[in-house]
Amino acid sequence: NAGVMQNPRHLVRRRGQEARLRCSPMKGHSHVYWYRQLPEEGLKFMVYLQKENIIDESGMPKERFSAEFPKEGPSILRIQQVVRGDSAAYFCASSPGPRVGRYTDTQYFGPGTRLTVL
Amino acid sequence: AQSVSQHNHHVILSEAASLELGCNYSYGGTVNLFWYVQYPGQHLQLLLKYFSGDPLVKGIKGFEAEFIKSKFSFNLRKPSVQWSDTAEYFCAVFGGTSYGKLTFGQGTILTVHP
Repeated sequence: NAGVMQNPRHLVRRRGQEARLRCSPMKGHSHVYWYRQLPEEGLKFMVYLQKENIIDESGMPKERFSAEFPKEGPSILRIQQVVRGDSAAYFCASSPGPRVGRYTDTQYFGPGTRLTVL
Repeated sequence: AQSVSQHNHHVILSEAASLELGCNYSYGGTVNLFWYVQYPGQHLQLLLKYFSGDPLVKGIKGFEAEFIKSKFSFNLRKPSVQWSDTAEYFCAVFGGTSYGKLTFGQGTILTVHP
């Protein structure tokens, strides 16, 4: 599962700036998931994407956050006008996609991007 | 909304001690269950998973977990821990018809003293 790549590993932004987090899934995986881990908490689901489609964004904050997974290139999680409360570790996971008869399959995680907002 | 509860935030053991980490979930339907481990400075790795069949699941590095449907539990066990098992352990559950969304517990930090 080391094949899921995330960059940058560490990102420092000042309040009001934009943060862009990138995720390249494992080879052969077409499903990408983003999770956020706040201090002292577990991972919280944010969004689930397939190529060019957002499947489930029920965990995304309504404002300032957006995600995409274009036909070519990595998935991007974008946070506009960052605030201190956005400081967290953001993890990306990928999977090949649910097989017939199953609702889900195994998600493999990247190393995460640790965002610090000053 | 479904939730996952891990009973212990921090567990401290000596090498060779037995380990059991609790995980309970709230969803009443069909579930898929996972345990992930995060070693210091590394990303989450899959320890084991349960989709169906034998409720006793064996994973990597000598870990196993038992799915008890009547108790909504999926506890992680290891008969004899090693110093290298020091890490944070996360239980995760998928349940329902919403594809892909895993619900995680808050994590348990395991510290093993040599």
